[in-house]
Amino acid sequence: GAVVSQHPSWVICKSGTSVKIECRSLDFQATTMFWYRQFPKQSLMLMATSNEGSKATYEQGVEKDKFLINHASLTLSTLTVTSAHPEDSSFYICSAKQLGSTDTQYFGPGTRLTVL
Amino acid sequence: SQKIEQNSEALNIQEGKTATLTCNYTNYSPAYLQWYRQDPGRGPVFLLLIRENEKEKRKERLKVTFDTTLKQSLFHITASQPADSATYLCALEHGNNRLAFGKGNQVVVIP
Repeated sequence: GAVVSQHPSWVICKSGTSVKIECRSLDFQATTMFWYRQFPKQSLMLMATSNEGSKATYEQGVEKDKFLINHASLTLSTLTVTSAHPEDSSFYICSAKQLGSTDTQYFGPGTRLTVL
Repeated sequence: SQKIEQNSEALNIQEGKTATLTCNYTNYSPAYLQWYRQDPGRGPVFLLLIRENEKEKRKERLKVTFDTTLKQSLFHITASQPADSATYLCALEHGNNRLAFGKGNQVVVIP
């Protein structure tokens, strides 16, 4: 149980284009999902907290207009990287917290974004 | 400033021995702390959660301790196996279920 999927697993795009990444909780409902970014040999950095039906809460230094987050249902959150640039190339990982459960976060497999 | 420190050097350990990893933190007051396993190119996999009022937690061959006075958690893998080779991440809760992660500590189990 508690499986989280991400799509796509990897994406290569040209500079200036937008990329959408989906995060789904497959066998549970998630009121809260989190988006992280991880650069090589670095720690996961929390970008934003996404609550179903409300606006996302962004961490300090994360541009909300560049990283658009939508959490339209209890099983789906999307992250759109708008006007992507090479410095946005990174490993993007989502996690989900199960509705009514303990504090455990279950992570997706990650999406490798490469911006040329 | 806030810090979460894990050993940057890989831990090489003989199969069957106990691997012990350390997580030290500064300027956090976590309600709970979690340990995750991460393989290359993959997302973290949850292992154990320990709360501030708990001293020790066990799950199969894994054991975690949490000392809020020392601001330290220890993570033990007993009877280590080559399949345990991975990077292990320490994560602290810092408000509204948000997690702050350490950089991780790589473990290499030698057959």
